[in-house]
Amino acid sequence: QKEVEQDPGPLSVPEGAIVSLNCTYSNSAFQYFMWYRQYSRKGPELLMYTYSSGNKEDGRFTAQVDKSSKYISLFIRDSQPSDSATYLCANGVLSGSARQLTFGSGTQLTVLP
Amino acid sequence: EAGVVQSPRYKIIEKKQPVAFWCNPISGHNTLYWYRQNLGQGPELLIRYENEEAVDDSQLPKDRFSAERLKGVDSTLKIQPAELGDSAVYLCASSLAGNNSPLHFGNGTRLTVT
Repeated sequence: QKEVEQDPGPLSVPEGAIVSLNCTYSNSAFQYFMWYRQYSRKGPELLMYTYSSGNKEDGRFTAQVDKSSKYISLFIRDSQPSDSATYLCANGVLSGSARQLTFGSGTQLTVLP
Repeated sequence: EAGVVQSPRYKIIEKKQPVAFWCNPISGHNTLYWYRQNLGQGPELLIRYENEEAVDDSQLPKDRFSAERLKGVDSTLKIQPAELGDSAVYLCASSLAGNNSPLHFGNGTRLTVT
């Protein structure tokens, strides 16, 4: 069993839809939780991160963490074609002064105009 | 602010040949990471540097992979000899030290071994 699991998709939605992307993890030692967005042939870029259970909102994006069930979600409101990308869930622990991240395999999202 | 710069963007080599990838991190970033990303998978850490010191290289296949970060700035990752299974995207990332510092990734080097 992988430490971080994501449904690979692909997921296709119409423009304006609410998108829900999900991630589960097995390692109780994870201290923080991140979502990265990766466009085709580009490196991942950080979207959001949180340390605690609950919701964190940033514009059209909301990250939700439930540590008791080891379940993480990313919601995208009013989705746009520019949101079409692969979304990577990444969980981590502190190792020395730096993070040690474990990535999921990613969910491929296409937002249709 | 310039981002993480990697070169080359693409490399095609025959198996058993050597190959090297170069990374220039964001200025001032003490921590540098090399990740490998296979098709349809998330990035997997190969090695992490704190300044010049490799502090986590447990996932680096040391029989054929080597890395260096001279002067604590640029870094080079080498594979010698390459195998077919090494075909992947090699990503470099950097961050400031500290637990609130996000990782900034470069656009990677896509390696194809034939």
